[in-house]
Amino acid sequence: AQSVTQLDSQVPVFEEAPVELRCNYSSSVSVYLFWYVQYPNQGLQLLLKYLSGSTLVESINGFEAEFNKSQTSFHLRKPSVHISDTAEYFCAVSQTGANNLFFGTGTRLTVIP
Amino acid sequence: KAGVTQTPRYLIKTRGQQVTLSCSPISGHRSVSWYQQTPGQGLQFLFEYFSETQRNKGNFPGRFSGRQFSNSRSEMNVSTLELGDSALYLCASSWGTENQPQHFGDGTRLSIL
Repeated sequence: AQSVTQLDSQVPVFEEAPVELRCNYSSSVSVYLFWYVQYPNQGLQLLLKYLSGSTLVESINGFEAEFNKSQTSFHLRKPSVHISDTAEYFCAVSQTGANNLFFGTGTRLTVIP
Repeated sequence: KAGVTQTPRYLIKTRGQQVTLSCSPISGHRSVSWYQQTPGQGLQFLFEYFSETQRNKGNFPGRFSGRQFSNSRSEMNVSTLELGDSALYLCASSWGTENQPQHFGDGTRLSIL
């Protein structure tokens, strides 16, 4: 069975400061990893994904995440946050051969002006 | 290209009633998955449909059911509603091949009185 742990439920950070949102997973099989973002009263938007290949993946809006197999982690980072990054971020995994996602409990990122 | 459309956006029901939620996937997507989001349990997978067949199922009681039509549109039904069924129900679509990113709708917020 898969599980995802997001240790930080809330992360406040000042505008233009760097941020790291932590995600650890456990699985007995190979997994694929995703980060989704949810704005108020909206669904989830895919931020970035790791399927295979380079362990460092990047999104178009400056976020990046690194897959670390030995530490079973997929932390999300951004070197300089904006007010518009305020949202809830979910880490998710799916196992090979399946389409359903297992989500972490989410991290609420609040960017302070 | 239109995104995933869920109707209705908001719904209020009373205990014991039943409800049907609708989801229209992105054009060409053949897989539709349903998730329940609550503050206490987070995001949980309900089931996935692919080519009108249930391909995967989460750990929910039989009161929760779904179906998919030949045009890939999907409906989810919940019978004998309970207070604990109050949640945001999210639908996600994908091409259906292994581990393709899922694209989410804005959800239907169901409130049980």
